[in-house]
Amino acid sequence: TQLLEQSPQFLSIQEGENLTVYCNSSSVFSSLQWYRQEPGEGPVLLVTVVTGGEVKKLKRLTFQFGDARKDSSLHITAAQPGDTGLYLCAGAGGTSYGKLTFGQGTILTVHP
Amino acid sequence: NAGVTQTPKFQVLKTGQSMTLQCAQDMNHNSMYWYRQDPGMGLRLIYYSASEGTTDKGEVPNGYNVSRLNKREFSLRLESAAPSQTSVYFCASRLVSDTYEQYFGPGTRLTVT
Repeated sequence: TQLLEQSPQFLSIQEGENLTVYCNSSSVFSSLQWYRQEPGEGPVLLVTVVTGGEVKKLKRLTFQFGDARKDSSLHITAAQPGDTGLYLCAGAGGTSYGKLTFGQGTILTVHP
Repeated sequence: NAGVTQTPKFQVLKTGQSMTLQCAQDMNHNSMYWYRQDPGMGLRLIYYSASEGTTDKGEVPNGYNVSRLNKREFSLRLESAAPSQTSVYFCASRLVSDTYEQYFGPGTRLTVT
């Protein structure tokens, strides 16, 4: 069974601060995704990383896939209240049918 | 396009009652999935359907059944609800590709008393 450990579970910061969320596993993933979920809604895909060492940027968000494809990080620069939400990482193990393994999630609160 | 739709949005059941959660997608996706989300546990896969006509168990299938009615629709049935099934249920779909991206519905919040 593949597991993804996500940390921290909770993060409460002030507007303008930087933060990093980590997603770690002992298993290799063929790709890793980051989703953002707002209260009362389903997760929405932010990014997919596929290649070991890959870095993708989405405005103030930077996503990195570890060289060995076992871990990933999400870094937010100058956080804003609009960034508040639940962030989930999800790994695809290369098995058929696209099954994803999700981390436990990080609840981010950005205070004005 | 509506994307992935789920009904109902909220439901309260008594222990032992049955119900079916409905899911439909209009993106012509091949694969569909049912997850449950509980605090601190992320999303756990209940059942999935790789393509029309096929279904398979996920991580937590006990107490649930599914039907892939056609390419668009994938329903989840609770035959005899238990308090442990209180959760938020999400349906998702995926167009078969190399990167496994899934698109989620808005969820059904189920409470079993």
